[in-house]
Amino acid sequence: GENVEQHPSTLSVQEGDSAVIKCTYSDSASNYFPWYKQELGKGPQLIIDIRSNVGEKKDQRIAVTLNKTAKHFSLHITETQPEDSAVYFCAAVGARGSQGNLIFGKGTKLSVKP
Amino acid sequence: DAGVIQSPRHEVTEMGQEVTLRCKPISGHNSLFWYRQTMMRGLELLIYFNNNVPIDDSGMPEDRFSAKMPNASFSTLKIQPSEPRDSAVYFCASSFRTDTQYFGPGTRLTVL
Repeated sequence: GENVEQHPSTLSVQEGDSAVIKCTYSDSASNYFPWYKQELGKGPQLIIDIRSNVGEKKDQRIAVTLNKTAKHFSLHITETQPEDSAVYFCAAVGARGSQGNLIFGKGTKLSVKP
Repeated sequence: DAGVIQSPRHEVTEMGQEVTLRCKPISGHNSLFWYRQTMMRGLELLIYFNNNVPIDDSGMPEDRFSAKMPNASFSTLKIQPSEPRDSAVYFCASSFRTDTQYFGPGTRLTVL
């Protein structure tokens, strides 16, 4: 089945710097890759997603890139702000044909220092 | 619009007791997912429904866990009997025809 590896597990940056979180997946048939942000005491919130027919997607300070050949995808946050501090999860669709069966990475705790 | 609604938000119970977690998906969504989150194992899919029918329950840890979806607007996850190792945050999520899932606020379960 699908396996998703996420790195780093913790990341500390200064306000204004960029942050990059990387994930790899194992199932070449996976075609949907969402990123979630989870703040303390809350459920994961979708912040951006990408499908396998595109290589990059941007939404203001957030961007996601996908390399299908290498089975890598990454989250880029530019001009980080203290409110970006949270745990970020990547995910990929699980078993072939199992729509909606997301396999999550272990998460990255991002700390943005003012 | 209301998001996914879960109740209770916190539950403290004693080992051996029955626990029932409740979820109301986003109106119009046709898929519903139950997850468990722990520090050790991260986010794990327990079971998911499509059009009220269970599709994949391979993540349900054991027979003590059961889930139902009697209609499109309500689902329950039941643990009977509960054990201390069931302590975790349980999330419900819903989606409509796509892979995009929207999560509820979760229920923090503590079994003493």
